[in-house]
Amino acid sequence: KQEVTQIPAALSVPEGENLVLNCSFTDSAIYNLQWFRQDPGKGLTSLLLIQSSQREQTSGRLNASLDKSSGRSTLYIAASQPGDSATYLCAVGPDYKLSFGAGTTVTVRA
Amino acid sequence: DTAVSQTPKYLVTQMGNDKSIKCEQNLGHDTMYWYKQDSKKFLKIMFSYNNKELIINETVPNRFSPKSPDKAHLNLHINSLELGDSAVYFCASSQEGLGNYGYTFGSGTRLTVV
Repeated sequence: KQEVTQIPAALSVPEGENLVLNCSFTDSAIYNLQWFRQDPGKGLTSLLLIQSSQREQTSGRLNASLDKSSGRSTLYIAASQPGDSATYLCAVGPDYKLSFGAGTTVTVRA
Repeated sequence: DTAVSQTPKYLVTQMGNDKSIKCEQNLGHDTMYWYKQDSKKFLKIMFSYNNKELIINETVPNRFSPKSPDKAHLNLHINSLELGDSAVYFCASSQEGLGNYGYTFGSGTRLTVV
């Protein structure tokens, strides 16, 4: 059974600081890994998807890495802004059965 | 237009009642899902449907019965509601091969059983 852990559970940083969010998973036989953002009372928004054959993906200020052998992924958010405040969830695939971590709640202070 | 829409957004009901949550997606995706997010914020897969066919039933009590009349709709009917069913239920859809941004969630239905 796949178990996904996210550390830290919460993070508070001043605006402009870079964010580093960690995700680990127990079964390295994954199909893909996705990072989502969840705002309070809202659904999830897909941020980045890394296929199992890839090592990283980038979108704007976001960069996610994947190390299957060690069962780890890291999401980097550069130059954080108050609008980045949200809960960030890591999930490992396949798509038809994603396993989610409990998330890291990020607060960016203006 | 909302890509994945769920109704209702909030549902408060008494134990023992039967209720339904509806979900519709207008993205043309071929796979739809129901997820449950509990009070500790863990999201767990409940059901996956591909082209109206059930492909994943993740040990969900049979009081929960999904129904997919067509590939754009996946409804969730819950019989004999229990206190432990209180949670936020998310519908989602995806299309294999779309890669990033392919997985789309609805805004959730907050179910409270009293």
